[in-house]
Amino acid sequence: GAGVSQTPSNKVTEKGKYVELRCDPISGHTALYWYRQSLGQGPEFLIYFQGTGAADDSGLPNDRFFAVRPEGSVSTLKIQRTERGDSAVYLCASSLSPGSGNTIYFGEGSWLTVV
Amino acid sequence: GQQVMQIPQYQHVQEGEDFTTYCNSSTTLSNIQWYKQRPGGHPVFLIQLVKSGEVKKQKRLTFQFGEAKKNSSLHITATQTTDVGTYFCADRGGSNYKLTFGKGTLLTVNP
Repeated sequence: GAGVSQTPSNKVTEKGKYVELRCDPISGHTALYWYRQSLGQGPEFLIYFQGTGAADDSGLPNDRFFAVRPEGSVSTLKIQRTERGDSAVYLCASSLSPGSGNTIYFGEGSWLTVV
Repeated sequence: GQQVMQIPQYQHVQEGEDFTTYCNSSTTLSNIQWYKQRPGGHPVFLIQLVKSGEVKKQKRLTFQFGEAKKNSSLHITATQTTDVGTYFCADRGGSNYKLTFGKGTLLTVNP
């Protein structure tokens, strides 16, 4: 596709449930990022993949959050035992490579609401 | 951890007026990127500043990076209703991949 694609665009789930959010980066982009944006805040870094491996997962808030990118393209962010505080927009982004000369392109985001 | 502060939080202007948002850090910024996010949309990359004292222009937008690389600004001349949105600065940091965003400045324009 032309841009970063994220599904679902909206997800309402009950507290305690498991959620998966999917990201399809721009074709050929080796670097993939997940950010989380709460209302009135800037995006906050969660995790960065270079290829298939998670090069930096220091932004994941706790062990309920996990992300994979098994074939170096599509990535899935997994949240276990969701809590109301997890409600936010989860933004995926990709770039050709991690270098500073490469523009980072964000997807439209997955709006997660935990009730 | 590193913090990037942005002011003002909100700015409302009449169409045709100028607008400026400021980005500051207590530590030296590596390189600054600016993004625009329309209401309900996603951040869209505008520009990157790398060098001390750098100034870049995009039509009515002027971006500056401070001499000490601790601050940056975005100035819009003669705002239009299409400029509405939240403007974020973000520092790329020494990691070369992790962006630390400010809280953004929400610009609204009265036609």
